Amino acid sequence: GENVEQHPSTLSVQEGDSAVIKCTYSDSASNYFPWYKQELGKRPQLIIDIRSNVGEKKDQRIAVTLNKTAKHFSLHITETQPEDSAVYFCAAVEYGNKLVFGAGTILRVKS
Amino acid sequence: GAGVSQTPSNKVTEKGKYVELRCDPISGHTALYWYRQSLGQGPEFLIYFQGTGAADDSGLPNDRFFAVRPEGSVSTLKIQRTERGDSAVYLCASSLMASGGQSSYNEQFFGPGTRLTVL
Repeated sequence: GENVEQHPSTLSVQEGDSAVIKCTYSDSASNYFPWYKQELGKRPQLIIDIRSNVGEKKDQRIAVTLNKTAKHFSLHITETQPEDSAVYFCAAVEYGNKLVFGAGTILRVKS
Repeated sequence: GAGVSQTPSNKVTEKGKYVELRCDPISGHTALYWYRQSLGQGPEFLIYFQGTGAADDSGLPNDRFFAVRPEGSVSTLKIQRTERGDSAVYLCASSLMASGGQSSYNEQFFGPGTRLTVL
């Protein structure tokens, strides 16, 4: 089955700097890659996603890139703000809509 | 409209007891998923339903775990003879439908979870 690795496990940045989180996946058949943000004690919420026929997608301060050949995808957050502090999870979708998550990255934005 | 809801929000039980966790999906969503999230980890898939039937239960850790969705809406996750290792947050999610097609993936909306603590 699919396996998703995520790095780094923790990331501290100064407010206004950029943050990058990277994930790799194992199953070349996976074709959809969402990113979720989870605040402490809250539910995971989708922030951006990318499909395997697209290399990059941007939504305001966040962007995701996908390299299918290398089987890795990344989340980029620019101009970070304190409210970006949370745990971020990448995921890959196996057949049947089943999400396989990475272990998560704790992002701390210092003001 | 209302999102996915789960009850109870917290459940404390003793080792060996039976528990039931309930999930109310978004109205009209035919697919429903259960995940388990241990501290410091990402959610792990347990089972998903398409309508009333369990389409994939490959993530259930053992036969102490069982889930039902008798009318294609509300689902109950049942855990028998609970063990301390079952302690986790159990998340439910729903989507319009489940599909393996690239262009037809439907976003999964998560509930707030049930925090299960087995003493």
